[in-house]
Amino acid sequence: EDQVTQSPEALRLQEGESSSLNCSYTVSGLRGLFWYRQDPGKGPEFLFTLYSAGEEKEKERLKATLTKKESFLHITAPKPEDSATYLCAVQGNSNTGKLIFGQGTTLQVKP
Amino acid sequence: DTGVTQSPTHLIKTRGQQVTLRCSPISGHKSVSWYQQVLGQGPQFIFQYYEKEERGRGNFPDRFSARQFPNYSSELNVNALLLGDSALYLCASSFEGGPYEQYFGPGTRLTVT
Repeated sequence: EDQVTQSPEALRLQEGESSSLNCSYTVSGLRGLFWYRQDPGKGPEFLFTLYSAGEEKEKERLKATLTKKESFLHITAPKPEDSATYLCAVQGNSNTGKLIFGQGTTLQVKP
Repeated sequence: DTGVTQSPTHLIKTRGQQVTLRCSPISGHKSVSWYQQVLGQGPQFIFQYYEKEERGRGNFPDRFSARQFPNYSSELNVNALLLGDSALYLCASSFEGGPYEQYFGPGTRLTVT
C-alpha cells in the first residue's frame, strides 16, 4: 500500500537555527514527490517537485532532496515567517492523478 | 494570474442535508482534483477529473459525487451529510492529469451540525 510518513510531527526552532524535515515513502512506481507549505485555514502552497533519486531543488531558505526511500526539506537560517505546516505528497504509477499526503510537520520559528 | 478559486468559503449544514461546492481552475488547466482535509491530517484524495472525464476516485462513499463542466470548472456534491464530513474541502488544478504539480485553492470549510 502506498504510504507517506513525515517526521517530526512538530518542530520548534529559534530564528537562524537550521534543521531538516523528513518524508519517508513507499509507493508503486514514483512519478513525483511534492512539497507544499500550508498556513492555518488556507490551502497548501506548492513549493517543489522532485522526480528521481539524487534530484535537488532550492528556493530561498528551503532545499529539497530525494532518495529512493525518503525526501528531506532542509531549512537554512529560518525566519519567523517560515512558520507553517509542511506537507509531503507522492504520486504513484496509477493514472488517477492521486496525491498521497503525509500528515505534515508543523514548524514554529521563534524570534 | 488568478489562482484556483473556490466557493463558498465557509458553510454550515445540518446532518442529512446536501451540499454543493464549486471550483474554478487556473486558466489553461484542464484537470481538477478534490481533497478532504480533516484537522491535523494531510489531505485525502476524493476525485480527479480531466477533460470532463473522471480519472480517479478515492476511498469515499457514493454520497460523494463530482462533475466537470466544458469550461473545466467543477462541482463536488455530498449527499446525506454526516458529522464526520466536517472538514476543509480543497480543490486543486493541474495542466493535465499526469505527474504535474497540483495547485490548490483556499478551500471550503464545511461544518456539519
